[in-house]
Amino acid sequence: AQSVTQPDIHITVSEGASLELRCNYSYGATPYLFWYVQSPGQGLQLLLKYFSGDTLVQGIKGFEAEFKRSQSSFNLRKPSVHWSDAAEYFCAVAEGDSSYKLIFGSGTRLLVRP
Amino acid sequence: DTAVSQTPKYLVTQMGNDKSIKCEQNLGHDTMYWYKQDSKKFLKIMFSYNNKELIINETVPNRFSPKSPDKAHLNLHINSLELGDSAVYFCASSYNTGELFFGEGSRLTVL
Repeated sequence: AQSVTQPDIHITVSEGASLELRCNYSYGATPYLFWYVQSPGQGLQLLLKYFSGDTLVQGIKGFEAEFKRSQSSFNLRKPSVHWSDAAEYFCAVAEGDSSYKLIFGSGTRLLVRP
Repeated sequence: DTAVSQTPKYLVTQMGNDKSIKCEQNLGHDTMYWYKQDSKKFLKIMFSYNNKELIINETVPNRFSPKSPDKAHLNLHINSLELGDSAVYFCASSYNTGELFFGEGSRLTVL
């Protein structure tokens, strides 16, 4: 069965510093991969997605992610973090041939130091 | 206009009671979902409907019964509430591409 691992429960970065959030997935075929962000008391919002093609995908709010098949990873990056980026970030993989069912990782909480 | 709206936002009730959460989307999506987020923020799919047809039922207890009167609405009814049902329940919708649009969540507290 598919699974998603986000090894970092919390990450703290200073405002203006770069950010990388790790995500590893377990899936036999080419996966559909997603990053979502959840602000406190809110639902989740899609940051970016990978289905096929260019392995570096750009998303909203200045985020990007790179799909690396050899490492089964889909890490999220941002070159310069803003205080408003503080939130919970979830990586997800669509299960099987259907994109109906997303399997989410356990999330990484991003804290931003002023 | 809110794309995916769910009501109520907060629900506090006693064990053994029955409660419902309603969800509506105005995005014209064909697929709607219920997800449960526990106290550790872990998100798990419960149900998915496509054009009013149940397509995913993730071994959820029979006390949980979703109903989709039309493709813009997906309600969740819970019978005989238990302490372990306390969580945030998220409704979402999509065009079947995995790009889910989430509601703001309904926080259920069972006392």
